[in-house]
Amino acid sequence: DIQMTQSPLSLSASVGDRVTFTCRASQTVSAYVSWYQQKPGKAPKLLIFAASSLQGAVPSRFSGSGYGTDFTLTISSLQPEDFATYYCHQSYSTPYTFGPGTNLEIK
Amino acid sequence: EVQLVESGGVVIQPGGSLRVSCAASGFNVDDYTMHWVRQVPGKGLEWVSRITWNDDNTYYGDSVKGRFTISRDNIKNSLYLQMNSLRTEDTAFYYCAKDQNQYDSSGYWGMDVWGQGTTVTVSS
Repeated sequence: DIQMTQSPLSLSASVGDRVTFTCRASQTVSAYVSWYQQKPGKAPKLLIFAASSLQGAVPSRFSGSGYGTDFTLTISSLQPEDFATYYCHQSYSTPYTFGPGTNLEIK
Repeated sequence: EVQLVESGGVVIQPGGSLRVSCAASGFNVDDYTMHWVRQVPGKGLEWVSRITWNDDNTYYGDSVKGRFTISRDNIKNSLYLQMNSLRTEDTAFYYCAKDQNQYDSSGYWGMDVWGQGTTVTVSS
């Protein structure tokens, strides 16, 4: 099975900051990576698919990059509504797997 | 409006069986690859299962393989997860989700619509 790791697991930042989350796959997943945002009590929301494609209606301050085993999600200027948990996910091979998540908190 | 609504979550004893449902509206479940994803309260997401749109091929996570069965009813436009031999570690919030791309089983396009989830508690 492909393992997905994320770093950091927790991050404190301020409104207006630029933040980057990292996701690493235990073997190549090509560009079959998506990123999800989840707020407490809510279902996950698709932000990025195919490693770098922005999902419709998602603000352009979100961007994704990477290929193979190393991926990043960047938020260029944090807004109050961005404080949440972020998960990477590989759909290259079954069983699909999620990373453990990065909890983004307000500093 | 494209929507998924899960139901059927209950409190059940270990070793029991349960079927949770996911009713779809605004699209046809047989046109999309569909998934179940679960989340232990306060923990991360775990992919559970998927069923492909065209050939009904099914896939499972290691922790549920041989115990859970995903299925679809095109007439009722619903997705199901039959859970047998339930364990305490199956206690979780269960979400259904659809692939973004119609007539596609690649997984490349992500899961764009999720339900609100249903709670399954396995406890004696």
